[in-house]
Amino acid sequence: DAGITQSPRHKVTETGTPVTLRCHQTENHRYMYWYRQDPGHGLRLIHYSYGVKDTDKGEVSDGYSVSRSKTEDFLLTLESATSSQTSVYFCAISEQGSQETQYFGPGTRLLVL
Amino acid sequence: GENVEQHPSTLSVQEGDSAVIKCTYSDSASNYFPWYKQELGKGPQLIIDIRSNVGEKKDQRIAVTLNKTAKHFSLHITETQPEDSAVYFCAAPSMDSSYKLIFGSGTRLLVRP
Repeated sequence: DAGITQSPRHKVTETGTPVTLRCHQTENHRYMYWYRQDPGHGLRLIHYSYGVKDTDKGEVSDGYSVSRSKTEDFLLTLESATSSQTSVYFCAISEQGSQETQYFGPGTRLLVL
Repeated sequence: GENVEQHPSTLSVQEGDSAVIKCTYSDSASNYFPWYKQELGKGPQLIIDIRSNVGEKKDQRIAVTLNKTAKHFSLHITETQPEDSAVYFCAAPSMDSSYKLIFGSGTRLLVRP
């Protein structure tokens, strides 16, 4: 998984609670991404980062926020989890010069009850 | 809007036969087309990619072909093996940013022994 770890790997939470997912990379890549994967929808981009403290929204960003205080870590926060956010979340990274070539982490399976 | 359509959604082949998965894209300026393989419980793994300056690329039993005029690209797997069974995703760059990818909805390939 290209030097990418995600934590936790599995989480069950209740509606209305905050949740933070962590992506950690050891590749020193500039770009990092958060996707969600749902049946019939493939992979959809939530947020991405093009450098420390530089982030932007993807196609399904409502209800999510991100932070990147250092190169190796990209955090995804659900401020108040809803059942519609039950999904598998993947982090990806890419390096400057070939930024379109993305490598994915192992994923976090989130269940919101 | 921008879109990547992938067909078929499921594909069942006999071991040793060939499998072909096709994707169409909408942005004629797209110049990078990756294919990912996702095994159960794992993150997507980049298996092959092609840039728009070539029409075909091969790597052992897998190949990707690109038809820029028709705006479609295809994944070809020859001499399929049971371990090729997985979900395959194509992708193409977003119109507004080359490092944001738009993914197809996936093809579940089953190779029957």
